[in-house]
Amino acid sequence: RKEVEQDPGPFNVPEGATVAFNCTYSNSASQSFFWYRQDCRKEPKLLMSVYSSGNEDGRFTAQLNRASQYISLLIRDSKLSDSATYLCVVNGGTASKLTFGTGTRLQVTL
Amino acid sequence: DVKVTQSSRYLVKRTGEKVFLECVQDMDHENMFWYRQDPGLGLRLIYFSYDVKMKEKGDIPEGYSVSREKKERFSLILESASTNQTSMYLCASRGPGQFIYNEQFFGPGTRLTVL
Repeated sequence: RKEVEQDPGPFNVPEGATVAFNCTYSNSASQSFFWYRQDCRKEPKLLMSVYSSGNEDGRFTAQLNRASQYISLLIRDSKLSDSATYLCVVNGGTASKLTFGTGTRLQVTL
Repeated sequence: DVKVTQSSRYLVKRTGEKVFLECVQDMDHENMFWYRQDPGLGLRLIYFSYDVKMKEKGDIPEGYSVSREKKERFSLILESASTNQTSMYLCASRGPGQFIYNEQFFGPGTRLTVL
């Protein structure tokens, strides 16, 4: 079983739609969780951290369910500029080392 | 605002050549990482270093070595390049592990082609 699993997509959605991505992780000792965004031919960049209580940043909401070892990202009112690959990232038990999912591709269309 | 830089954006080498990929960060981070990224496989960790002269193998270290002589610099070495090492190579750095929500910063990547 992969340490971090994501649906690869692609998710094709119209502008203004709400879209949700899910991710599962296998290491119950994981301590920190993130969503990174990667644009085509660019490096990954931090989108948001995911806290136990859930957190929101504008149109983006992240949730963590430790019991089910499950992380989600909700994007409301999608914009064309949201088109990218979204990487689920988990600290895999070793404090310094992060484990990346293979990413979910989102394409927002007119 | 430059944080992590890599020596080349594109590199073309021949099979059997020794290849050096250099990475420099200006954030005084203890932890540095080398990944390769291939379509459908995502980011795979090759090696990481948590201090000067310290290194640990990642998930796919075969065919690679690393060097960290100074805190800000982490080099990836392909001793004898092979065609299956054609890939995008990404360097990253991160602050101390005890701050579990430290952000990891990536360099722009080096696209290596081995002919």
